[in-house]
Amino acid sequence: DIQMTQSPTTLSASVGDRVTITCRASQTIGGWLAWYQQKPGKAPELLIYKASTLETGVPSRFGGSGSGTEFTLTISSLQPDDFATYYCQHFNFYGTFGQGTKVEIK
Amino acid sequence: QAQLVQSGAEVKKPGASVKVSCKASGYMFTAFFMHWVRQAPGQGLEWMAIINPGGGSTNYAQKFQGRVTVTRDTSTSTVYMELSSLRSEDTAVYYCAREGSTGATRWNAFDVWGQGTMVTVSS
Repeated sequence: DIQMTQSPTTLSASVGDRVTITCRASQTIGGWLAWYQQKPGKAPELLIYKASTLETGVPSRFGGSGSGTEFTLTISSLQPDDFATYYCQHFNFYGTFGQGTKVEIK
Repeated sequence: QAQLVQSGAEVKKPGASVKVSCKASGYMFTAFFMHWVRQAPGQGLEWMAIINPGGGSTNYAQKFQGRVTVTRDTSTSTVYMELSSLRSEDTAVYYCAREGSTGATRWNAFDVWGQGTMVTVSS
């Protein structure tokens, strides 16, 4: 089974900071990687799919890159609404999620 | 707009079964794959299963093989997830999630989510 490993687990940042979250796959997955944002008590929301395609309605400060086994989610200028937990996800016959990265206020 | 509405919270005893429904609206039900994902309290997301509402074919995470059954009713645009032999570790919020696609190209990502159904397993 493919394992997804996110880092860091927790990230403390301030409004306006540039934030980067990394997701590593245990084997190559091409570009089949998605990123989600989840706030407490809410369902996850899709931010990015196919590694770098921004979902409709997602602010342009969110960006995704990578291929193969290493992927990155970048928030170019952190906004108050961005404090949340972020998950990477891969699916190919079976699905798997990273363990999550909590972005908290510094 | 596409929407998924799930059934309400459930409380079950260990060893029982639970069946959660997910009613789709606002799009062509049979054109998009549907997944089930769960989240235990304070934990991360865990993928469970996929169904093709068009043909009914399914695939399940190995962890749940033999305990989970996903079905669909095309007449009501509803997908069901039944989990049997419940244990305390199955206490979680269960989500249905639609897999996005552009024409015939699947995204392998989930663009519409249900509101979640809390399942509590307790004696």
